[in-house]
Amino acid sequence: AQKVTQAQTEISVVEKEDVTLDCVYETRDTTYYLFWYKQPPSGELVFLIRRNSFDEQNEISGRYSWNFQKSTSSFNFTITASQVVDSAVYFCALTLNSGGSNYKLTFGKGTLLTVNP
Amino acid sequence: GAVVSQHPSRVICKSGTSVKIECRSLDFQATTMFWYRQFPKKSLMLMATSNEGSKATYEQGVEKDKFLINHASLTLSTLTVTSAHPEDSSFYICSARDPWLPNTIYFGEGSWLTVV
Repeated sequence: AQKVTQAQTEISVVEKEDVTLDCVYETRDTTYYLFWYKQPPSGELVFLIRRNSFDEQNEISGRYSWNFQKSTSSFNFTITASQVVDSAVYFCALTLNSGGSNYKLTFGKGTLLTVNP
Repeated sequence: GAVVSQHPSRVICKSGTSVKIECRSLDFQATTMFWYRQFPKKSLMLMATSNEGSKATYEQGVEKDKFLINHASLTLSTLTVTSAHPEDSSFYICSARDPWLPNTIYFGEGSWLTVV
């Protein structure tokens, strides 16, 4: 079975600070996909990134960056120069690349990020 | 714009009644859709996998007779909460996979259900 652990339940920072959200995953499969989603108070899930298990390159998108390390089974997410609009719950998720079968997502418990002005 | 749409976004129903939530894929045909449930300040838990033209696959602990799922077309899956009780109040969100885009999973906007 798969498992995603987000050890940080809540994080509070002051605007312009950098913040890293941790994600550790467990799976016996060698082929899988990792995701990060943002969930603002309105509830919808906003897709941020998808990374497959064979691509360990780190990625940067504007103020967002992701550090994928298979050696430690981690897929951490950093927001640089945080803004109040970044306040939300962030979920890390995993799905197996199981061909024609279901792509069920296993979610972590989420990290509530509060960015204070 | 949204590629997966849910309706209604919010619904209040009386205890004992049934309520239907729709999940539509707008730009693609989804042979598989997923229904998740989220309690306040909790994570998303997969309830069931909706398969077009066949029975849904429910996760362990999810009552099939209470949460009826129908996936009659390639663009529509419905979740019906039957004989709703206050403990069914929750945020329900669906997702769909675009079969032409590997591992691209789109989520609907979610539906807030309140049973009074």
